[in-house]
Amino acid sequence: AQTVTQSQPEMSVQEAETVTLSCTYDTSESDYYLFWYKQPPSRQMILVIRQEAYKQQNATENRFSVNFQKAAKSFSLKISDSQLGDAAMYFCAYRSATSNFGNEKLTFGTGTRLTIIP
Amino acid sequence: NAGVTQTPKFRILKIGQSMTLQCTQDMNHNYMYWYRQDPGMGLKLIYYSVGAGITDKGEVPNGYNVSRSTTEDFPLRLELAAPSQTSVYFCASNTGGLYEQYFGPGTRLTVT
Repeated sequence: AQTVTQSQPEMSVQEAETVTLSCTYDTSESDYYLFWYKQPPSRQMILVIRQEAYKQQNATENRFSVNFQKAAKSFSLKISDSQLGDAAMYFCAYRSATSNFGNEKLTFGTGTRLTIIP
Repeated sequence: NAGVTQTPKFRILKIGQSMTLQCTQDMNHNYMYWYRQDPGMGLKLIYYSVGAGITDKGEVPNGYNVSRSTTEDFPLRLELAAPSQTSVYFCASNTGGLYEQYFGPGTRLTVT
């Protein structure tokens, strides 16, 4: 079974600075997808960024980028130019790429609470 | 296009009571999921469905039941509520494959 570990329960960053959130995972599969979800106080789960394991290039979405190290099974999220609206819980998640019944589910880490300091 | 909707938003149950959490999506997604989120934890999968009439257990199915009679609806039934079921429940859906899961706003359930 796959596991996802987020070792930083809480992080804080000054507004406009850069912060990196860590995520490691364990899997025996070679093809999979990794996600970062944001959960603001409203509780809504919002997809931030997605990475396909077969792609060597790191995904980027505006101020959000990832550092995907497949051999190390590491998937960190970098937030540049942090804004007050970035304050939220951030969850790392894993999904198998195998199209078998039962592989569609997401496996989540325990989350990192990000605080933005004005 | 409302996306994924869940009702109720909040509910307090007494131990031993039963209730159904409703989930509806209007995106014609085949795949639907129920997760629970305990305080300070990530989401854990309870049940999922890959189409009408097809459901399967996830990581934490005990104490819950589901049915999927239509593409749009995926209700979660709690029988004999226990304090351990105090949690926030999220419903999600997607078209399967690579595509992202779209989440509802969640239901906060307290069992006392």
